[in-house]
Amino acid sequence: DIQMTQSPPSLSASVRDRVVITCRASQTISTNLNWYHHKPGKAPRLLIYGASSLQNGVPSRFSGSGSGTDFTLTITSLQPEDFGIYFCQQSHTSPWTFGQGTKVEI
Amino acid sequence: QVQLQESGPGLAKPSETLSLTCTVSGGSIISSFYWGWVRQAPGKALEWIATIHSGGTTYFNPSLKSRVTLSIDTSKNQFSLKLRSVTAADTAVYHCARHRAVTAGHYNWFDPWGQGTPVIVSS
Repeated sequence: DIQMTQSPPSLSASVRDRVVITCRASQTISTNLNWYHHKPGKAPRLLIYGASSLQNGVPSRFSGSGSGTDFTLTITSLQPEDFGIYFCQQSHTSPWTFGQGTKVEI
Repeated sequence: QVQLQESGPGLAKPSETLSLTCTVSGGSIISSFYWGWVRQAPGKALEWIATIHSGGTTYFNPSLKSRVTLSIDTSKNQFSLKLRSVTAADTAVYHCARHRAVTAGHYNWFDPWGQGTPVIVSS
């Protein structure tokens, strides 16, 4: 199985900060990488698919980049509603696997 | 807007079969999309369990395939998961989600998701 490793495991940031979260795959996955946001008690939400495509309705302050094994999720101006856990998922090879998550505290 | 809601017992005994149902609202389960289950055990990463299409085709994580059965009830707009011979390692929050595509590529993602239902396996 492809292992997905995220860093950092957690971070604390302030409103309007720029936040960068990274995800590394154990083997090359082209741009087959998705990012999600999960607030406690709520349903996870797809933010980015195909490494850099913004899902409909997701604010433009979210962006994704990368290819091969290294990927980043950037939040350009952190908002209060952005707290929670961010996790990546590879869509290159079944079984589809996820990163451990990055907890963002504000 | 499609919404998903998991239901099922929050507690299961070791060696029993866990049964969970996901109810889809705001859209038909009969579509080009697929429907999947993902779980997260305490302190661990999310784990894809399995996916089903309304036509009945199923896809499984090999690590769980021998213990998992999926079914779909189009008349109730529901799909279900049965996990046999559960152990403490199956304690997790179980989410259902719409699975856009099951082939490798940019459209293989999960959205929307249900909130998740916690399951504890304990005697």
